[in-house]
Amino acid sequence: GAVVSQHPSWVICKSGTSVKIECRSLDFQATTMFWYRQFPKQSLMLMATSNEGSKATYEQGVEKDKFLINHASLTLSTLTVTSAHPEDSSFYICSAFPGQGGETQYFGPGTRLLVL
Amino acid sequence: QKEVEQDPGPLSVPEGAIVSLNCTYSNSAFQYFMWYRQYSRKGPELLMYTYSSGNKEDGRFTAQVDKSSKYISLFIRDSQPSDSATYLCAMSDFEGYQKVTFGTGTKLQVIP
Repeated sequence: GAVVSQHPSWVICKSGTSVKIECRSLDFQATTMFWYRQFPKQSLMLMATSNEGSKATYEQGVEKDKFLINHASLTLSTLTVTSAHPEDSSFYICSAFPGQGGETQYFGPGTRLLVL
Repeated sequence: QKEVEQDPGPLSVPEGAIVSLNCTYSNSAFQYFMWYRQYSRKGPELLMYTYSSGNKEDGRFTAQVDKSSKYISLFIRDSQPSDSATYLCAMSDFEGYQKVTFGTGTKLQVIP
């Protein structure tokens, strides 16, 4: 149980284009989903927290207009990197919290983004 | 000073060895402590979850929390090559759905 998927697992795009990453909780409903970014040899850095049906809460220093988050349903959240630039190249990981009775977040497999 | 400190390693041990992984932290409000295993280019996988101080055992894994010293540990007994991964400690002052602070991870290599 508690499986979280991400799609795509790998994406390469040209600078200036937008990229959408999907995060799905496959066997549970997630009241809250989180988006993280991880640079090589560094820890996970929380970008934003999203609750179904409401606006995402962004961490300090994260541009909300650049990283658009939509938590459309209790099983789906999307992260759109708008006008991507090479410095946005990173490993993006989502996690989902099952809600009441859940112990902790469950992570997706991650999406590797390379902006050329 | 970082809220959570973790030695990045790498740590190389022979197969069958006992591995000790550690983190220290500065925020005394942390109540929930987790260990995640992350294979290369994969998302973190929850290994252990503990609340407050004490020990928790699950198979070959034992998690220890010493809140008085602000120190947590993960022990791996009879280590296997498949245990080779990066181990992340994580902690929170609220139950899982709130902001979790991660360590930088310790890279472990178990040599056959």
